[in-house]
Amino acid sequence: DQQVKQNSPSLSVQEGRISILNCDYTNSMFDYFLWYKKYPAEGPTFLISISSIKDKNEDGRFTVFLNKSAKHLSLHIVPSQPGDSAVYFCAASARGTGANNLFFGTGTRLTVIP
Amino acid sequence: GAGVSQSPSNKVTEKGKDVELRCDPISGHTALYWYRQSLGQGLEFLIYFQGNSAPDKSGLPSDRFSAERTGGSVSTLTIQRTQQEDSAVYLCASSFGRSSGELFFGEGSRLTVL
Repeated sequence: DQQVKQNSPSLSVQEGRISILNCDYTNSMFDYFLWYKKYPAEGPTFLISISSIKDKNEDGRFTVFLNKSAKHLSLHIVPSQPGDSAVYFCAASARGTGANNLFFGTGTRLTVIP
Repeated sequence: GAGVSQSPSNKVTEKGKDVELRCDPISGHTALYWYRQSLGQGLEFLIYFQGNSAPDKSGLPSDRFSAERTGGSVSTLTIQRTQQEDSAVYLCASSFGRSSGELFFGEGSRLTVL
């Protein structure tokens, strides 16, 4: 049972435009959300996170939005650059329960076209 | 080392053989996780260590899978009597303390069972 879902396996965006990657979750106990970026033959690297007490977190070109009522979060990248081309994983955890496990989505492959 | 180190990076084995995968976490990180990514799938949680103990083994898919951690550092994931469905990239991650959320991943060990 996939508790974190990324329904778009791939996304192509023109360089300079906005990339929007979406993620849905089912577990209402999730209170911490993260985005990881993965290049081929490398492990995932942490990109940005957001706690459930916030609805937006921004770090440079990357912004994560959280809509708790819809159990939905999104990652915005603007402007998109060719180096952003990678697989992006959404992840969630229920830190308030003391759990340490991260639940990951299946990933979205972003291609930024020069 | 500076990052999470995993070995071997690639392992090809015959069905029925045992394999051991090693993870050397970031120095000082008390939490260690094993995940696996099968082809076309997201990251699947296997086991979590806090120090040398494993409070959460819920993700281990069968009793052929086991893991240990010694000295609060290096961990070994052992798969006995490997099956073709065990073929995947096995990723190790570490973090500082409990419920830190942000995991630092190694590059993974790609296991192919023929």
